[in-house]
Amino acid sequence: ELKVEQNPLFLSMQEGKNYTIYCNYSTTSDRLYWYRQDPGKSLESLFVLLSNGAVKQEGRLMASLDTKARLSTLHITAAVHDLSATYFCAVDMYSGGGADGLTFGKGTHLIIQP
Amino acid sequence: NAGVTQTPKFRILKIGQSMTLQCTQDMNHNYMYWYRQDPGMGLKLIYYSVGAGITDKGEVPNGYNVSRSTTEDFPLRLELAAPSQTSVYFCASSYLGWEVYEQYFGPGTRLTVT
Repeated sequence: ELKVEQNPLFLSMQEGKNYTIYCNYSTTSDRLYWYRQDPGKSLESLFVLLSNGAVKQEGRLMASLDTKARLSTLHITAAVHDLSATYFCAVDMYSGGGADGLTFGKGTHLIIQP
Repeated sequence: NAGVTQTPKFRILKIGQSMTLQCTQDMNHNYMYWYRQDPGMGLKLIYYSVGAGITDKGEVPNGYNVSRSTTEDFPLRLELAAPSQTSVYFCASSYLGWEVYEQYFGPGTRLTVT
């Protein structure tokens, strides 16, 4: 059974600071996704990481994937209040070239204070 | 394109009632998914479909049924609603081909069973 663990689950930080969210998963997969969810809203895709060593950046967010360590990180640089949200990582359950759905972590609730 | 649309947005059911959650996508995606999200948790896969006429169970299928008669529509049926089915339900779709794919999520249906 595929398990996805995020930490921390809750993070309060000040504007201007840097921090990293970690996502560990239990079985081999080379497709990992990061989503953002605002309260009462749907999920917004942030990054799709498809191979070992993949690194993607968008604004103050940067995501990376190490498939050998089964670890992905989401790094926040110089945080601003607008980045306050819940961040989910998800791993593809696919096998044999299919796409059997995603297994999600519990999410990291991020609050950025002035 | 409207993307993934879901109806209704909100619904309150009494224990034992039945209902169908509607999901439609206009992106010609072959894969469609139903997830549920309980408060403070990540999403869990209920059912998925790889194309019209083909469906399969996800992690938490008990108490639900699906059908996929067209590429565009993937309704989720709740029979004999129970309080444990109180949740937010998200439909998603994706295209699996030679290119990178990601899942696009609908706005969600917030269901309360009392």
